[in-house]
Amino acid sequence: QQQVKQSPQSLIVQKGGISIINCAYENTAFDYFPWYQQFPGKGPALLIAIRPDVSEKKEGRFTISFNKSAKQFSLHIMDSQPGDSATYFCAASTQQGGSEKLVFGKGTKLTVNP
Amino acid sequence: DARVTQTPRHKVTEMGQEVTMRCQPILGHNTVFWYRQTMMQGLELLAYFRNRAPLDDSGMPKDRFSAEMPDATLATLKIQPSEPRDSAVYFCASGWATQETQYFGPGTRLLVL
Repeated sequence: QQQVKQSPQSLIVQKGGISIINCAYENTAFDYFPWYQQFPGKGPALLIAIRPDVSEKKEGRFTISFNKSAKQFSLHIMDSQPGDSATYFCAASTQQGGSEKLVFGKGTKLTVNP
Repeated sequence: DARVTQTPRHKVTEMGQEVTMRCQPILGHNTVFWYRQTMMQGLELLAYFRNRAPLDDSGMPKDRFSAEMPDATLATLKIQPSEPRDSAVYFCASGWATQETQYFGPGTRLLVL
C-alpha cells in the first residue's frame, strides 16, 4: 500500500517531442505528490508538486496531471530538450499516521535526442 | 547559495570496517532526511529527524546502522560493521517538513569490498 509504481523505466524522445511519465498509487491517504529530477552524479531536485485538490498543475514546460479516482498522476514535458535528459522520480506522502515518509517510484531515465 | 553538503563524496572500504557519513543541512531547516539509492531498490528513506529528534528510522537496519544529529548543523549516518550489500549512494536532504521541498545533498558514494 505504500508503493508508488512508475512507468516506463526508460524513455527516449526526440527534441521537441512530448515526454510522458506515469505513476500509480494504492494508498488513498496520500495527499502530496512531487516529482524530482536527478542528473548523473547529483542529488534529486524538486521539479514540480501537486496536491489532490487540483487535477493539473503547470510550470513552464512541465505539467502534472492528477486523476484521484484512478489513483494515478503523470508528468508531461512539452517541447522536450536535450537538457531535460535526466532521471525523473515521482513520489507521494501523507501526514496521516504520524510518519510523513516520502515514498519514491523507481525512476524513469529520460533521454532526449537532438 | 545555500546547499546541503555531504562528506565524504566517495568512500571505498573493506567489509567489517566502520563507515561514517556526515551531512550539513541548510541553515534554518528543521528536518533532515537520510536516503539510500541503489539500482535495484531506488530511493529508500532510512531515517529522518525534526528539530534534531529522530522521528522515523524504520527504514534503517538497526543492527548495523545508526543516525544522529549531534547539533543542528551536523547529521551523521554510521554503518558498523559495513557489508558489501551496503554499497550504494547515500543522500542527505533537508527541509522544513516532508510535504515541503526537500533539498538533497550531492550524496556519498559508498563501495564496500
